[in-house]
Amino acid sequence: NAGVTQTPKFRVLKTGQSMTLLCAQDMNHEYMYWYRQDPGMGLRLIHYSVGEGTTAKGEVPDGYNVSRLKKQNFLLGLESAAPSQTSVYFCASSYFRSAGSEQFFGPGTRLTVL
Amino acid sequence: AQSVTQLGSHVSVSEGALVLLRCNYSSSVPPYLFWYVQYPNQGLQLLLKYTSAATLVKGINGFEAEFKKSETSFHLTKPSAHMSDAAEYFCAVSVNTGGGNKLTFGTGTQLKVEL
Repeated sequence: NAGVTQTPKFRVLKTGQSMTLLCAQDMNHEYMYWYRQDPGMGLRLIHYSVGEGTTAKGEVPDGYNVSRLKKQNFLLGLESAAPSQTSVYFCASSYFRSAGSEQFFGPGTRLTVL
Repeated sequence: AQSVTQLGSHVSVSEGALVLLRCNYSSSVPPYLFWYVQYPNQGLQLLLKYTSAATLVKGINGFEAEFKKSETSFHLTKPSAHMSDAAEYFCAVSVNTGGGNKLTFGTGTQLKVEL
C-alpha cells in the first residue's frame, strides 16, 4: 500500500496563477483533510471531507476550494494564488469518524507563490 | 473550542539524556490527545495517542506520555535520547463533535540531540 500520496511535491507559482494539488489514498478511508503548515504556527485545517461528494470548511478556508469526486481522491484548488499561500500543504485521511481515530499524513507539497 | 500549547519551540538534549516535551491542552469536553513526529521533509507520523483508556500511554520508539487531567497536560517523555530522535514534535487535541475527527495542533517543538 502506498498510503497517502500527494502530487506535486514542489511547485512555484506567480501571483494570480491557479493550480490544483492532488491527494490520493489507497486505504479506503472515508475521511480526508487538507492542512497547511507555516513556521511557528503548527498545522491548520483548510477543508475536510466526511465522504465522497461532501466537503466542509476548516479553520482557514479562504482562497481555497476542494472537491471529492472519488472516495480515494481529495483535490485542493487555488484559483488565484497569493504570496500568503506560500506554505507546505499536507493531506491526511482517517478511517473512523471518532475523535480518537488516527490520521495518516502524506509527504506534503511545498508551494511558493512569488 | 479546544486548543493546545507547546512550551518551548526548540529543545536541545544530549544523546542519552531524558527527553521532555511539554503539552498543555484546553477543552471543555473530554479530549483525545495525540503526539505526532515529523522528520525533515516528511509528513507527520503518529507517536502515540490518549483515548481515555489508560492515563500512561506508550508509543513507538520508546516514547511515552501521561495524561494528567488536573494539570491539563500531556507531556511526552523518553528516558534516553538517540540521535535519530531529532525531529519536530506536534501535540494535537481532538474532541467528538459529530463532524469527524478534526485535529487542533500545537505550534510544534523542534528537538535537537547533541553528542
